[in-house]
Amino acid sequence: EVQLLESGGGLVQPGGSLRLSCAASGFTFSSYAMSWARQAPGKGLEWVSVICANNNSTYYAGSVKGRFTISRDNSKNTLYLQMNSLRAEDTAVYYCAKDSGDSCYSPIDYWGQGTLVTVSS
Amino acid sequence: DIVMTQSPDSLAVSLGERATINCKSSQSVLYSSNNKNYLGWYQQKPGQPPKVLIYWASTRESGVPDRFSGSGSGTDFTLTINSLQAEDVAVYYCQQYYSIPFTFGPGTKVDIK
Repeated sequence: EVQLLESGGGLVQPGGSLRLSCAASGFTFSSYAMSWARQAPGKGLEWVSVICANNNSTYYAGSVKGRFTISRDNSKNTLYLQMNSLRAEDTAVYYCAKDSGDSCYSPIDYWGQGTLVTVSS
Repeated sequence: DIVMTQSPDSLAVSLGERATINCKSSQSVLYSSNNKNYLGWYQQKPGQPPKVLIYWASTRESGVPDRFSGSGSGTDFTLTINSLQAEDVAVYYCQQYYSIPFTFGPGTKVDIK
């Protein structure tokens, strides 16, 4: 059974940093692209970032490019999202997601439960 | 960026009736090399994470009831829920994964009439 468990969310001041983790199990982690998406309170879904499995390329939404960094540790079956220079508009539930293939251009097939990040003074 | 729009914003359907949700992309998400539409549909129930229903525009995810179906190609897509059940009350999102940044539609809320 695929399981994705996010952690690392919490309250942070504007301009601060936070690192989210996603512990994956139930599948061969190194063989699949992985994504982050977020959902602001009461709003819709927003794609944030993806890391491919076939070449470890990374891509970002314009709203986070230059501030967020996605990475993976295949030896620990863990996905990360380093978030710097946080803004109030980054407040959201952050979801880790497994893609269905090794390419970044694969559909998401599993979502984690999410972790809440609140950016406020 | 590809802009995804959905219609309607919300709809209320009687139990057992059909619900139809439309999704439109600002440019084609059909990749000619493999003839696949890079379009997925997700269901999100209150307080829960999204769940994948359909990918490649019309392929139903394993375990998804067959009352859910996806159709369309290019820029126009439809999610159909035949014989709506109470457990189908949710917000439904389409997403394109053809071009980065991947983008979601704004969502369509489905309720029981």
